[in-house]
Amino acid sequence: ILNVEQSPQSLHVQEGDSTNFTCSFPSSNFYALHWYRWETAKSPEALFVMTLNGDEKKKGRISATLNTKEGYSYLYIKGSQPEDSATYLCARNTGNQFYFGTGTSLTVIP
Amino acid sequence: NAGVTQTPKFQVLKTGQSMTLQCAQDMNHEYMSWYRQDPGMGLRLIHYSVGAGITDQGEVPNGYNVSRSTTEDFPLRLLSAAPSQTSVYFCASSISTGVAYYGYTFGSGTRLTVV
Repeated sequence: ILNVEQSPQSLHVQEGDSTNFTCSFPSSNFYALHWYRWETAKSPEALFVMTLNGDEKKKGRISATLNTKEGYSYLYIKGSQPEDSATYLCARNTGNQFYFGTGTSLTVIP
Repeated sequence: NAGVTQTPKFQVLKTGQSMTLQCAQDMNHEYMSWYRQDPGMGLRLIHYSVGAGITDQGEVPNGYNVSRSTTEDFPLRLLSAAPSQTSVYFCASSISTGVAYYGYTFGSGTRLTVV
């Protein structure tokens, strides 16, 4: 994998459903993996910074895991709510530079 | 605490014109950067700075200049605008030169159209 890849590109779920997205990245020269939440007409906001293989982070109903050896991170949302509708970005850091994926657009249907 | 402030929010330029996108932060962040957002592509780093007087190129630096004379300000200059520079530009800052370990604070973006 040369770039940061996110899947799926978009996702529609019913309110109350749990969901997850994937971020895949080159495992070489890895410093950190960031997750951001980007609501329409707003700026991206940091969710998690993950650095160690096996890291697990949690913020409310949102959690993330990291596997640096195989180059992937999962973001989980438990019991999705309409206010979770946003684009979720991941970014790989290689020192002073970040490489962003194109994001997963989540729509939660009430 | 204003965070990261970008001006202007919208701008239309003619090909060949020059302009400066302003970015200021009041959080005493060492690290500042400029990204562009284009349809179907992830945010791409244009230039970044790890402190006053220190700048470096990112992934897509051509056509853009930056300087960092103070900790607070990091302007992005387009010397001769081209239609390929039509994009949404974001300024982002981080607390430390160890930026890998801290999240970004983003500005609200500047939507630039070059005709």
